Amino acid sequence: QVQLVQSGAEVKKPEASVKISCKASGYTFTSYYLHWVRQAPGQGLEWMGMINPNSGGTNYAQKFQGRVTMTRDTSTSTVYTELSSLRSDDTAVYYCVRAEPGSYPFDYWGQGTLVTVSS
Amino acid sequence: EIVLTQSPGTLSLSPGQRATLSCRASQSVSSSYFAWYQQKPGQAPRLLIYGASSRATGIPDRFSGSGSGTDFTLTISRLEPEDFAVYYCQQYGSSPRTFGQGTKVEIK
Repeated sequence: QVQLVQSGAEVKKPEASVKISCKASGYTFTSYYLHWVRQAPGQGLEWMGMINPNSGGTNYAQKFQGRVTMTRDTSTSTVYTELSSLRSDDTAVYYCVRAEPGSYPFDYWGQGTLVTVSS
Repeated sequence: EIVLTQSPGTLSLSPGQRATLSCRASQSVSSSYFAWYQQKPGQAPRLLIYGASSRATGIPDRFSGSGSGTDFTLTISRLEPEDFAVYYCQQYGSSPRTFGQGTKVEIK
């Protein structure tokens, strides 16, 4: 069965960086895009960007341009998102989410990774 | 960027009642690229409806979606106890992908 298993919770100080992983299994890793969506406490869902695991190509939301880097390791079927220059309002649960290439809905979600930014 | 506005913010209903949730887009969205998700506390969202009206795998038929252009609706025909949750609409036809702010369906 399809599984997206994310790395554990992180606590970071302001201005630091965080790198979250998402290991995919149960399907052909390079056949689906992986997106990252975050959710601040008590708030809604915010799309951050996506990566094509086949080519490594990325598309980031303008809000995160220059601060986010999404990468993949095809040998381990894992994608990563790294967010730099962390601020307190980056405190959120970060989800990796699968979708078919192109304009398709998000059909499988990881369990989420809580990132807390606090001094 | 397409902005999605959901209404109402909170819907207070009893089990067995019908729930009607709305989502309005700031510009026209192809119905092929419109989805609804359900999120329960402490869980990741789950895909309910895609293509505006197609149910995802395993979704019961009490959930239905409709709409086109800028106005979309999610209907739950008879609320079951497990349906009390937050519901989000989403457009996935253009970048950035955007979500509505959510509608909470709570027990009255």
